[in-house]
Amino acid sequence: EDKVVQSPLSLVVHEGDTVTLNCSYEVTNFRSLLWYKQEKKAPTFLFMLTSSGIEKKSGRLSSILDKKELFSILNITATQTGDSAIYLCAVTPQGAQKLVFGQGTRLTINP
Amino acid sequence: DTEVTQTPKHLVMGMTNKKSLKCEQHMGHRAMYWYKQKAKKPPELMFVYSYEKLSINESVPSRFSPECPNSSLLNLHLHALQPEDSALYLCASSPQIPPANYGYTFGSGTRLTVV
Repeated sequence: EDKVVQSPLSLVVHEGDTVTLNCSYEVTNFRSLLWYKQEKKAPTFLFMLTSSGIEKKSGRLSSILDKKELFSILNITATQTGDSAIYLCAVTPQGAQKLVFGQGTRLTINP
Repeated sequence: DTEVTQTPKHLVMGMTNKKSLKCEQHMGHRAMYWYKQKAKKPPELMFVYSYEKLSINESVPSRFSPECPNSSLLNLHLHALQPEDSALYLCASSPQIPPANYGYTFGSGTRLTVV
């Protein structure tokens, strides 16, 4: 059965800290891994990763995929209170019609 | 227009009511999805429509009835729901299936409370 596990489940840090969120997966015929940020309502898209070792960056956020060890990390540097959210990792097997989500990491940034 | 629009944003309904959730996108996406999300849990897939045809039904109870009248609209008809059906209902779309190549665009959700 396809499975995505995120860690930690919950993380509380101070503004300005750097955080690393983890996502490991077991999936048949992996095709892509996606990161989403969810605040009060809809998840918003952050990154799609398909190739190992190529870092994707957007401002203070970056992510990388390791297809050999079957995991991805999401880094956030110089965190701000607006980064407080649930971060969801999802993978899609090749040809599958749906995403398989992890449980999410609830990140809280205290001022 | 790069959004998925869901209405209503909030809905409170009794167990004997019939109501509908609506989802609309004008991005030309041909795959649309309904997800249910309980508090502190990830979204769970309910239905997938591809080219206006039901492609996946994840063994959802018949009190939830999806409908795709055209390529831009997706409805979820609700009847005789239970309090445990209270959740955030998310609609999503992707250009095509499989979403692996494209990812999803999510709507802002309908927060449903069944009393």
